[in-house]
Amino acid sequence: EVQLVESGGGLVQPGGSLRLSCAASGFPFSRYWMTWVRQAPGKGLEWVANIKDDGREKSYVDSVKGRFTISRDSAKNSLYLQMNSLRAEDTAVYYCARDCGHGRLDPWGQGTLVTVSS
Amino acid sequence: QSALTQPPSASGSPGQSVTISCTGTSSDVGGYNYVSWYQHHPGEAPKVLIYEVSKRPSGVPDRFSGSKSGNTASLTVSGLQAEDEADYYCNSYAGGRNFVFGTGTKVTVL
Repeated sequence: EVQLVESGGGLVQPGGSLRLSCAASGFPFSRYWMTWVRQAPGKGLEWVANIKDDGREKSYVDSVKGRFTISRDSAKNSLYLQMNSLRAEDTAVYYCARDCGHGRLDPWGQGTLVTVSS
Repeated sequence: QSALTQPPSASGSPGQSVTISCTGTSSDVGGYNYVSWYQHHPGEAPKVLIYEVSKRPSGVPDRFSGSKSGNTASLTVSGLQAEDEADYYCNSYAGGRNFVFGTGTKVTVL
């Protein structure tokens, strides 16, 4: 069964850092682009970042450029999102998703909640 | 990277059809045939319904269909069922390896 499980969310103060992880199983992780998507409370989905299957290409939404870093470890079948200089507006449920090609995100994990507050 | 525009809400009675629009620009929806649609029940993981404008993954009922004309994509849900009550989001490739979601539409089954 193809499965994605996020972890690492929690409460962090403004300006702080957090590292999210996404454990993948049930498919050849190293062959797929991977994506992070977030949903702020009461808001819609927002595409955050993606990373090529070999990790050599990465892209970010403008609002997180320079603060967030997406990475992956194929040996551990894991995707990461390092989040620095966190702001209140980064508060959201963060989902990881497999990109099956041209933005077809399938499946998604259940999400992990990040709360940025003092 | 502005969000694609969707109507905030849509509704229909069981058995009826509802169509949700997703309006972008020539730099995203209009420029590529890489529009996908997602169904999101609160508290659950979103699920892909349509990809590459009109293709349906295996397991998705044919009640769900997608299309595109110019800068606007559409999702039609035919034969509405109670379980179709959810939030729906479009997503489009926007060039430069970037993607953008729509603002989301809450579908209510009356």
